[in-house]
Amino acid sequence: AQSVAQPEDQVNVAEGNPLTVKCTYSVSGNPYLFWYVQYPNRGLQFLLKYITGDNLVKGSYGFEAEFNKSQTSFHLKKPSALVSDSALYFCAVKSLDFGNEKLTFGTGTRLTIIP
Amino acid sequence: GAVVSQHPSWVICKSGTSVKIECRSLDFQATTMFWYRQFPKQSLMLMATSNEGSKATYEQGVEKDKFLINHASLTLSTLTVTSAHPEDSSFYICSAGQGWNTEAFFGQGTRLTVV
Repeated sequence: AQSVAQPEDQVNVAEGNPLTVKCTYSVSGNPYLFWYVQYPNRGLQFLLKYITGDNLVKGSYGFEAEFNKSQTSFHLKKPSALVSDSALYFCAVKSLDFGNEKLTFGTGTRLTIIP
Repeated sequence: GAVVSQHPSWVICKSGTSVKIECRSLDFQATTMFWYRQFPKQSLMLMATSNEGSKATYEQGVEKDKFLINHASLTLSTLTVTSAHPEDSSFYICSAGQGWNTEAFFGQGTRLTVV
């Protein structure tokens, strides 16, 4: 079984400040981790992924995420928040078992950047 | 990244009628597509896995006779909500990937309102 926890339903950050959106996961075997962003009434847009290699992954729009195996975490970060970053963010995981394409999503975190 | 197109973006139908939603992979072939349902302010709930040339695999609790899935080609999957009722009103999203070890790409979503 695989699962994802996003402990914060809502995160508010002042524009220009660094932001962090938290994610922890549980999966058998090695994880394949993702962050997606969703704007109102739209599908999900891919931000970044971790499969192997460097623990710090860089993605779209200046976002990055750090894989921490010991803490089973994959927090999303950005050094300086923009108002346009306000959206709903989903962390997702799947195991690296061959043939497993099924993603499990967290409950989402609504990020609001305050001007 | 790859493009997944979903149509229509929104639809309003009368109770008792059926609605078809299309999901197309525009620039790649997808042997597997996924259909999700998203309730307001909630995460994505996987409804079924659509397999090209074979029957869809439904998640527990999802009525296969109500949510008919057809994956007739490598670029098209359809979800038909049969005999729709107001409780079927929701946001439906499809996704497709280019393999088990790649990220999924999502359609724009379909807002279904049953009146």
